Amino acid sequence: DTGVSQDPRHKITKRGQNVTFRCDPISEHNRLYWYRQTLGQGPEFLTYFQNEAQLEKSRLLSDRFSAERPKGSFSTLEIQRTEQGDSAMYLCASLREGPTGELFFGEGSRLTVL
Amino acid sequence: DQQVKQNSPSLSVQEGRISILNCDYTNSMFDYFLWYKKYPAEGPTFLISISSIKDKNEDGRFTVFLNKSAKHLSLHIVPSQPGDSAVYFCAASALGPGGFKTIFGAGTRLFVKA
Repeated sequence: DTGVSQDPRHKITKRGQNVTFRCDPISEHNRLYWYRQTLGQGPEFLTYFQNEAQLEKSRLLSDRFSAERPKGSFSTLEIQRTEQGDSAMYLCASLREGPTGELFFGEGSRLTVL
Repeated sequence: DQQVKQNSPSLSVQEGRISILNCDYTNSMFDYFLWYKKYPAEGPTFLISISSIKDKNEDGRFTVFLNKSAKHLSLHIVPSQPGDSAVYFCAASALGPGGFKTIFGAGTRLFVKA
């Protein structure tokens, strides 16, 4: 399977703990995006990488959030000192080159903060 | 501010009939409009797109119409099938200095009754 993969699929944690999510994009895609989706809403943009460079961060990405893509391949999204409001589905997507901006999404990592 | 709006949270249609999903946007700078489909426990998958310079794009049972003057687009599915039951997200993408930025609507849940 050469799609976008995310790990873990589900994470339950207690408030105040740190969590890290990993995304492996489609290998030939050099652009990688992180989105967050909460119930009843569409995906909300968090941040974006071109190769290893983080080019844009949303205002939604507070100081507790950090994302990396150290070798331009896989990416990690870390949330420090989690809060209940961080509970959401975290989606990773890679971009197919072309004029439309078509995104290929992984299955997501669902975070529940108790 | 919501730049992409889907005002109908849900839609129910009989199998074989036409499904029409609507979307409104506020920013005239979008280059492409896309529809994504999402099944439970899966990430969104790309369905169909349309350039901002076109007014119609058709792919099999799926047709997207764009009305730029009204800043409105719609997705037509005909004939609707039970397997089409999913959440449909309208999205708009713009190419800027940092690459593509895609903004999603809140989604419309489609139920196709057999």
